[in-house]
Amino acid sequence: QKEVEQDPGPLSVPEGAIVSLNCTYSNSAFQYFMWYRQYSRKGPELLMYTYSSGNKEDGRFTAQVDKSSKYISLFIRDSQPSDSATYLCAMGAGKSTFGDGTTLTVKP
Amino acid sequence: DTAVSQTPKYLVTQMGNDKSIKCEQNLGHDTMYWYKQDSKKFLKIMFSYNNKELIINETVPNRFSPKSPDKAHLNLHINSLELGDSAVYFCASSQDGTGNTIYFGEGSWLTVV
Repeated sequence: QKEVEQDPGPLSVPEGAIVSLNCTYSNSAFQYFMWYRQYSRKGPELLMYTYSSGNKEDGRFTAQVDKSSKYISLFIRDSQPSDSATYLCAMGAGKSTFGDGTTLTVKP
Repeated sequence: DTAVSQTPKYLVTQMGNDKSIKCEQNLGHDTMYWYKQDSKKFLKIMFSYNNKELIINETVPNRFSPKSPDKAHLNLHINSLELGDSAVYFCASSQDGTGNTIYFGEGSWLTVV
């Protein structure tokens, strides 16, 4: 069983939709939680980073962590075609373990 | 001004050859990494170095040898390349060795034929 499971996708939504990307994990030792965005032929770039349970908002992006359920989510409001990318969750304590990624396409 | 730069971006080579990928970061970070991303987008850590010292060495074949001449550089040398080595290799860095807030390079696409 993988330590981090990510909803596989792919996901295709119309412009303006609210997108929900989700990961579950099994390792209770994980202390920090991150979301990366990876455009085609590019390296992953850090979007959101949090230590604690609860919500963290940054513009149209909200990261949600529920440590009791070992579940994290990334919400994208008012999605744009420029949000089309692969989204990777990552978490860890000492080293990061990545999910397999969810590919999102936002159609104009 | 690229924060984490790696060369070459694309590399096509024959089985059995030896190749190197170079990486440099100008962020002043103490820790550098090599990650491998397969065709299914799965990103897996291979090595990490903190101030030139090897910290993490995942179960990677001995044919892969990282070298860190200083904390701003981490190169990856691969001997006797195999078809299964075809992947994208990402160099990355972070401020400390906790493994969070990692900054990735653009990747090196290695194809072994």
